[in-house]
Amino acid sequence: EAQVTQNPRYLITVTGKKLTVTCSQNMNHEYMSWYRQDPGLGLRQIYYSMNVEVTDKGDVPEGYKVSRKEKRNFPLILESPSPNQTSLYFCASSFGQATYEQYFGPGTRLTVT
Amino acid sequence: KNQVEQSPQSLIILEGKNCTLQCNYTVSPFSNLRWYKQDTGRGPVSLTIMTFSENTKSNGRYTATLDADTKQSSLHITASQLSDSASYICVVSARGAGSYQLTFGKGTKLSVIP
Repeated sequence: EAQVTQNPRYLITVTGKKLTVTCSQNMNHEYMSWYRQDPGLGLRQIYYSMNVEVTDKGDVPEGYKVSRKEKRNFPLILESPSPNQTSLYFCASSFGQATYEQYFGPGTRLTVT
Repeated sequence: KNQVEQSPQSLIILEGKNCTLQCNYTVSPFSNLRWYKQDTGRGPVSLTIMTFSENTKSNGRYTATLDADTKQSSLHITASQLSDSASYICVVSARGAGSYQLTFGKGTKLSVIP
């Protein structure tokens, strides 16, 4: 089944403890991106990647890192999480940016205390 | 600054009724406009993608329209069902130098009641 998977789905952590949220897709998509969704603010793009080893900042990249060493994986790294990073995170992928349909993962709900 | 405004913020309708959601945008240069459906706590799912030359696009009971001159789009839902209860998000893509920028609306929350 074609899908985008994220792990973990739920995570409660403490301020400053490094964490990684994994994202994997099995559709051979070149384009992948990370979003956060907060009440009243909608979806905001954190980082995106147009291909392996090519990443770029989105609208809200501060406090996050990403890497794209393989085509199928695009992990999101929080080196020192803070409470304002408590949010619902989505990974998405598509064949390209232009008019290609974007497939979203199921989401990761992160709480930083 | 690119912006996407959706209205209404929320809407309650009776099962079986039709409804129309609105999306106004100030995004340039325009590439395409997308409508997504997002069930609570789940990832958005694409409904339609329309380019500049497309006025109307349907996906089952969902019909999206685009007026590129007035920079407006609408999503019409026909014969609503309880499963249509969700947030509907309008996303406009702008073509930049070598990449595309997506601007998301904040969504319209639709509740369909029996």
